[in-house]
Amino acid sequence: AQSVTQLDSQVPVFEEAPVELRCNYSSSVSVYLFWYVQYPNQGLQLLLKYLSGSTLVKGINGFEAEFNKSQTSFHLRKPSVHISDTAEYFCAANAGNNRKLIWGLGTSLAVNP
Amino acid sequence: GAGVSQSPSNKVTEKGKDVELRCDPISGHTALYWYRQSLGQGLEFLIYFQGNSAPDKSGLPSDRFSAERTGGSVSTLTIQRTQQEDSAVYLCASSLLGVDGQFFGPGTRLTVL
Repeated sequence: AQSVTQLDSQVPVFEEAPVELRCNYSSSVSVYLFWYVQYPNQGLQLLLKYLSGSTLVKGINGFEAEFNKSQTSFHLRKPSVHISDTAEYFCAANAGNNRKLIWGLGTSLAVNP
Repeated sequence: GAGVSQSPSNKVTEKGKDVELRCDPISGHTALYWYRQSLGQGLEFLIYFQGNSAPDKSGLPSDRFSAERTGGSVSTLTIQRTQQEDSAVYLCASSLLGVDGQFFGPGTRLTVL
């Protein structure tokens, strides 16, 4: 069965510091991988996605993620965060023809001045 | 409309009452999803509609929950005889193709007293 694990429930970081939010998945088949962001009191929006091809995926707001098949990971990174990046980040996976996304529990990113 | 819309944005009800939550997906999107997000929790899948296919109801927590999608567009999630544990934010999402990622509405915050 598929599962998605976000290894950190909370990540505090100072402004302008780099950040990495970790996501691991388990699946016996090829997967499509997604990162979503939920700003306070707002709905979720797609940050980036990996379907195939280049393993380094660039998304909105300066975020990027790297698909690593051997480590079954899809970690999200940003070289320099802003206060406005404070939000909940969700990793999700979808295997094969099943369009039902499997979600991680989320990582709360808190950017402090 | 430009995005997924949901109504009402907030709903307060008494235990035992029935509630209906509405979702208007992005025009042309064939897939529609309902999720539940409890405080501090990840996303819990409820139900998925794809075109004219039978919906995937595997996530509905009990037979008090039901959903329909009329004309392949608007969807209504109905919760009968609400319980306090039903209190959560109910999110709707739509997509054109499963691999394109899902577009979320702002959610309906349900509070059962």
